[in-house]
Amino acid sequence: AQSVTQLGSHVSVSEGALVLLRCNYSSSVPPYLFWYVQYPNQGLQLLLKYTSAATLVKGINGFEAEFKKSETSFHLTKPSAHMSDAAEYFCAATPGTGTASKLTFGTGTRLQVTL
Amino acid sequence: ETGVTQTPRHLVMGMTNKKSLKCEQHLGHNAMYWYKQSAKKPLELMFVYNFKEQTENNSVPSRFSPECPNSSHLFLHLHTLQPEDSALYLCASSLEGLAEDNEQFFGPGTRLTVL
Repeated sequence: AQSVTQLGSHVSVSEGALVLLRCNYSSSVPPYLFWYVQYPNQGLQLLLKYTSAATLVKGINGFEAEFKKSETSFHLTKPSAHMSDAAEYFCAATPGTGTASKLTFGTGTRLQVTL
Repeated sequence: ETGVTQTPRHLVMGMTNKKSLKCEQHLGHNAMYWYKQSAKKPLELMFVYNFKEQTENNSVPSRFSPECPNSSHLFLHLHTLQPEDSALYLCASSLEGLAEDNEQFFGPGTRLTVL
């Protein structure tokens, strides 16, 4: 069975500092991977996705993530945090073969950005 | 209206009440989903509909009854709920097909409180 693990339920960074949110997957077949962001009182919005093309994926709002098969990881990074980045971030995976509608989510990481 | 909309945004109900949550997508998608988001737990997939047919029921109690009259509308009928059912209920839609195209678009959610 597929699982997604996000290390750290809360991450706090200073404005302008590097953001690193960790995600590891467990799957016998490399899955397709997604990062979603959820702002307060809103639904989830897709930041970026990995679908077996380039291993370094660029998304919206300056975020990017690198797929590392050897480490079964898909960590999310942003070089310089902004106050508006404060939100909850979810990593998700779906089977990498055939049709798939079942996303498996991690437990989420709440990002706090301080002055 | 664009994207995925959900009504109501907030709902308070007693355990003996019957209520319904509504979701509508304006994206031309053919798959729709209900998720439950509880504090400190991963998003839980509840139901999946593909071309109006239910393709997944993730062992959801019968007090939750979904209805999908067409590819644009999805309902979740609620009756005799329990306090532990209090959560944010999220609706999503996608263009069902190959896994790499399976980006799910989420609505803002309905915050449900069961007294």
